[in-house]
Amino acid sequence: QVQLQESGPGLVKPSETLSLTCTVSGGSIRNGNYYWTWIRQPAGKGLEWIGRIYNSGSTNYNPSLKSRVIISIDTSKSQFSLNLASVTAADTAVYFCARAHVLGVIDYWGQGALVIVSS
Amino acid sequence: SYVLTQPPSVSVAPGETAMMTCAGSNLGTKTVHWYQQKPGQAPLLVMSYDFDRPSGIPERFSGANSGTTATLTITRVEAGDEADYFCQVWDTDSEIFGGGTKLTVL
Repeated sequence: QVQLQESGPGLVKPSETLSLTCTVSGGSIRNGNYYWTWIRQPAGKGLEWIGRIYNSGSTNYNPSLKSRVIISIDTSKSQFSLNLASVTAADTAVYFCARAHVLGVIDYWGQGALVIVSS
Repeated sequence: SYVLTQPPSVSVAPGETAMMTCAGSNLGTKTVHWYQQKPGQAPLLVMSYDFDRPSGIPERFSGANSGTTATLTITRVEAGDEADYFCQVWDTDSEIFGGGTKLTVL
C-alpha cells in the first residue's frame, strides 16, 4: 500500500517561501509509471493542481503559479518537495501531495497539510 | 485554459439515484476521473478512465463520458455517499479539476 505524508511549517509569513516535503513509502518513487504531484485546496473551495515531477526531475507546473513554484525530487530519500515563493494570504490552503499515473489518474493522496500565510 | 463545469449541488433521498455531471468542450475526447471527498479527508478515487471502478468502490457507482458531458451515477444512494465529488482531466500539460458538486443525502 503506497503512503504519502506531507511535512513542513504550518505557518508562513507573507512574502516568504512556503516549503513542504512529501515522503513516499510502500512503493518506489523511481517507478516510471508515475508522476509525483502537488495539489492544494483553500478552505471551502475546490482542488487546484500546482504541478508534478517525474523521477528524472522533469516538471510541469500550473501556468498560473509557474513563476513562483519549484518542485524537486530526491529519489535516494523517497521524497519530493514543493517551494512556493512570495506567498500571500491567497496561498493559505491545505496542500496535498499525491501520486499520478502517467495516463493522468491520481490514485494515492497524502492526508494533507494546512499552511496558513499570516504575519 | 480548459474548463470543467460541475453543478454546485445535487440532493437525493436515500435509495434514489444521484447523477453528477461534468461539462467541458469536447470532453468525450478526453479521459475523465472522479474523486469523492468527505470533510477533513483527502480525495478518494471513485471512478477512473471514464467508467472503471477502482477496487473497493461499490458497484452502485458508474461512469460515462460522451460529447461534452461526463456523468458519475450513484444508484441506491446511502447516507455515507454524502460528500463533494470532483471530476478531473489532463489537458495540455496540466491537470484540470472541476469546481466540485456537493452531494446531499436528504
